[in-house]
Amino acid sequence: KNEVEQSPQNLTAQEGEFITINCSYSVGISALHWLQQHPGGGIVSLFMLSSGKKKHGRLIATINIQEKHSSLHITASHPRDSAVYICAVPIPQGGSEKLVFGKGTKLTVNP
Amino acid sequence: DGGITQSPKYLFRKEGQNVTLSCEQNLNHDAMYWYRQDPGQGLRLIYYSQIVNDFQKGDIAEGYSVSREKKESFPLTVTSAQKNPTAFYLCASSIVKLTGELFFGEGSRLTVL
Repeated sequence: KNEVEQSPQNLTAQEGEFITINCSYSVGISALHWLQQHPGGGIVSLFMLSSGKKKHGRLIATINIQEKHSSLHITASHPRDSAVYICAVPIPQGGSEKLVFGKGTKLTVNP
Repeated sequence: DGGITQSPKYLFRKEGQNVTLSCEQNLNHDAMYWYRQDPGQGLRLIYYSQIVNDFQKGDIAEGYSVSREKKESFPLTVTSAQKNPTAFYLCASSIVKLTGELFFGEGSRLTVL
């Protein structure tokens, strides 16, 4: 069983729609990362959150620590939001931590 | 501007050759990481380093080697022992704890001919 599960795997939307991407994890964590991977392959960090909600422009990330679940919302989606969105959580390993990544959600926003 | 620079962006290799991927950061981060990305899979950790002159194997270290002689630099060598090296490789850095923001390079795509 994967420690980080994302849904949906693929998502197609029309410009202007409200988007929700989900991430569930199976271990207790200190924080969760939401990342955006552009078609060229580069990855940008969107959010790091350990509780509650964070907002940046049209992006909103929420996390429920008790339910081990996080969501990434995009309001008024635009074709330039088309990308792969990845959640990642740090888990303890041998006195340190390692990041475990979800497989990503590929979002396509059509004009 | 601070960031991570990976080079080359594209690399072709013949079987049996070693290749080295460069990763340089000017963010003054202590921790650096190398990940491999294959289609349909999440990123997998190859090696990481939390301090100069020290590094640890990740989940898929076989066939790879790294060095950390300078804080800014964390090159990855894909050796001929790596049986399936064709992949997209990403370098990242962070403050030591993974509860801080992550910074990624643009990636290097390696193709073995």
